[in-house]
Parts: sequence; C-alpha cells; structure tokens
Amino acid sequence: DAGVTQSPTHLIKTRGQQVTLRCSPKSGHDTVSWYQQALGQGPQFIFQYYEEEERQRGNFPDRFSGHQFPNYSSELNVNALLLGDSALYLCASSPGVSGHYGYTFGSGTRLTVV
Amino acid sequence: GIQVEQSPPDLILQEGANSTLRCNFSDSVNNLQWFHQNPWGQLINLFYIPSGTKQNGRLSATTVATERYSLLYISSSQTTDSGVYFCAALYYNQGGKLIFGQGTELSVKP
Repeated sequence: DAGVTQSPTHLIKTRGQQVTLRCSPKSGHDTVSWYQQALGQGPQFIFQYYEEEERQRGNFPDRFSGHQFPNYSSELNVNALLLGDSALYLCASSPGVSGHYGYTFGSGTRLTVV
Repeated sequence: GIQVEQSPPDLILQEGANSTLRCNFSDSVNNLQWFHQNPWGQLINLFYIPSGTKQNGRLSATTVATERYSLLYISSSQTTDSGVYFCAALYYNQGGKLIFGQGTELSVKP
C-alpha cells in the first residue's frame, strides 16, 4: 500500500520563475493538504483540497495556488518565485476534511530559489 | 492566539537513556499528532492522541486534554531515534488545519 508520494524530490528555480509540485495521496484518502517548512521551523499550512475544491487556506499570498484532480492527486503551483519561497514543501493526505483520523505525510519536495 | 509550544527545543542523550518531550496547546483539540521527521524530511506519524495514553514499543504518549498538554516518552533511546520531533494540533475552530510546534531536536549519542 503506497503512502503519500511527492515529485520531484528536489528542485532548483530562479527568482521570478514558476514551479509546479505534485502529490499522490495515500490509497483510500480523498483530501490533500499542503504545508511549507522553512529551515529550522515547523510546517505551516498552505491550503487543503477536497472534492477538487480549495476548502481552507492558510496565510499565504495568491502566488500560491493549487488543484485537485478526480483521482484525488494534487498540484501546488507557485508563481513569481521569491528567494523566501525556498523551503521543504510537504503534502499530507487524510480520509475526509476534518483530519480527525489523522494525516499521512509524504517525503516532501525541497525547493531552492536562486 | 492559537499556539502549539514544544519543550525542550534541543535534547542530547546518551544511548539507553529515557526522555520526555512536552507539547502545550492553547485550546480544545479535535486531534493531536506526534511526528518524527527523518533526515530526508519525511514526517513519520508516531501517534494520533487527542486524549489518553498510547504505547508503541519504546515510545508512548499521553495527552491530558483538560490541561492542554501532551507528553511523548522515549525509553532506552537509540541513535536511530535522533531527529526532530513535532507535535501538531487540530483545533475544533480551525477546520482541517494542523498547527505545528517548533519541534524538539533530539540527538542520541552512542
């Protein structure tokens, strides 16, 4: 039973470029959430997708957008990259939006903006 | 505001020692999770524990919801226990958003 898979594992982009990160949830999970983890910090919630809609959003600018597909997989897009966007981006999946049954995290995508 | 605070921020142990990590949260929680972040960045779920006590091998966790804290116990520590431990709270009034503490970095020396 595959867990949460994310791609790519590492990425280097230039300031001002755009990036797309991908996530496939754990089998049986229909909800995907994205988190940003800066070096030495705890993960920060970006947004959550359920039934192909953004259900909840954290304190991130509109440059961060996402999408969920009918097979529950998800993409995170970041436009006009800033140096401060360099971080580990984590995807988490869960059965349902409440999170009551817990979240399973992927290994993350490490984004470096130069 | 809504917060999750972990202590201590850093901990150095000799192999075989026991340790207790603490997580304080500021409001009623729908769920509380403990994670171990491995060197490659993956968050490994250790416990979902909104209340009560659970044990899994050398690890156990207790959450006292009425007093708004959770404890993670590691017994007979091994070098492979090294890494960062996070607790994350799911508050009733915050929807499905997990709020993480700043983590406890544990280093177990041989």
